[in-house]
Amino acid sequence: QPVLTQSPSVSAAPGQKVTISCSGTSSNVGNNYVSWYQHLPGTAPKLLIYDNYRRPSGIPDRFSGSKSGTSATLAITGLQTGDEADYYCGTWDTSLKAGVFGGGTKLTVL
Amino acid sequence: QVQLQESGPGLVKPAETLSLTCTVSGGLMFGYYWSWIRQPPGKGLEWIGYIYYNGSTNYNPALGGRVTISVDTSRNQFSLRLSSVTAGDTAVYYCARDNFQFYSDSSGYMRFFYYMHVWGKGTTVSVSS
Repeated sequence: QPVLTQSPSVSAAPGQKVTISCSGTSSNVGNNYVSWYQHLPGTAPKLLIYDNYRRPSGIPDRFSGSKSGTSATLAITGLQTGDEADYYCGTWDTSLKAGVFGGGTKLTVL
Repeated sequence: QVQLQESGPGLVKPAETLSLTCTVSGGLMFGYYWSWIRQPPGKGLEWIGYIYYNGSTNYNPALGGRVTISVDTSRNQFSLRLSSVTAGDTAVYYCARDNFQFYSDSSGYMRFFYYMHVWGKGTTVSVSS
């Protein structure tokens, strides 16, 4: 069972906005910094967000991250068909002394 | 620009040891953390462990002590060994370059920054007789 909890799927129309949530505990999301990854099947996962809200160079500002308490959120605006992918949150778990991920959320752009 | 490439056998027999190597190109290993992550079929990402360029390691306790990660900075490579494999170890295995930092806040609580900045494309390993 993944340590972090994500909804299995989300969908929205092109041009719309979608949010993907990631729930954890004080041992991970609550007190550490969250990252988000985009994963298309057969390709390398791509870092979208780090340190809760920072974007690596080359990631468009349509992607944004936030955190409140033990939950983090990835928001994607102006949805494009190319955004269809699996999205994972990740962080460090202080109690486990391990990296942890969510189970992933499959985004469908209708 | 740093690139990572996984290599190793695509098929391993049950009870044997899975061995993979990650070759780093376009940059040095000095000063970075390097990790292995896997994705079993139909499931999400699972962190296996990391190694610092100086050889210090940290492994996922859920893997029950079966993991060994080593580094050879002279060859710009790091490696994964997973012993006593079962069908449950069938997965796509990724290597990555990490960012790992921490600080102590005003309450004395340790807070961690940890993410995988650069990923390899992954290699599929099946465990079967």
